[in-house]
Amino acid sequence: GAGVSQSPRYKVAKRGQDVALRCDPISGHVSLFWYQQALGQGPEFLTYFQNEAQLDKSGLPSDRFFAERPEGSVSTLKIQRTQQEDSAVYLCASSSGFDNEQFFGPGTRLTVL
Amino acid sequence: GENVEQHPSTLSVQEGDSAVIKCTYSDSASNYFPWYKQELGKGPQLIIDIRSNVGEKKDQRIAVTLNKTAKHFSLHITETQPEDSAVYFCAAGEGGSGGYNKLIFGAGTRLAVHP
Repeated sequence: GAGVSQSPRYKVAKRGQDVALRCDPISGHVSLFWYQQALGQGPEFLTYFQNEAQLDKSGLPSDRFFAERPEGSVSTLKIQRTQQEDSAVYLCASSSGFDNEQFFGPGTRLTVL
Repeated sequence: GENVEQHPSTLSVQEGDSAVIKCTYSDSASNYFPWYKQELGKGPQLIIDIRSNVGEKKDQRIAVTLNKTAKHFSLHITETQPEDSAVYFCAAGEGGSGGYNKLIFGAGTRLAVHP
């Protein structure tokens, strides 16, 4: 079956632009996570959704970062007024329950010039 | 909060040898420890995981051990093959009651298996 998909796979933005990154989780998965992976580092947690409820957003680096999952399936991570330090791979993961394996998508590589 | 340290950062072995990667964690409340393999341009893929009520788990050439007292866990790959070459990440599950809601990752180990 289809895994987690993310779009776009690559995004180049000029500093100050807004970007929106999309995640399509595995169908039926109630839990959805966003992680940020800097070059040569491990993924770092950004935020967590259970269905449409955002239960944890402790990892969002600033108020320029905003995530939503309005219908409990597709999620969008929005970054406003992008900065060079936002350049990273943004990974989305989903799982079938609160305590289950997380399946990762291929990520979106964001480059801010 | 939880902190996970991973060693070594790079590991080079000959095909057929064993590879061992070690991780330590700080939060004794963590109870889930997955290992992920990440190939270039792809997302992390779970290869094995262990929960805190188990000391060891094996799946073919891959095994993981957990020492809760010392707060460390290790990945063992036997009979390595060139296709095992990738970056490996350990992680610890930290979250609310009844489970976890986020993973704290180590910095990764780049494994190279030479034919």
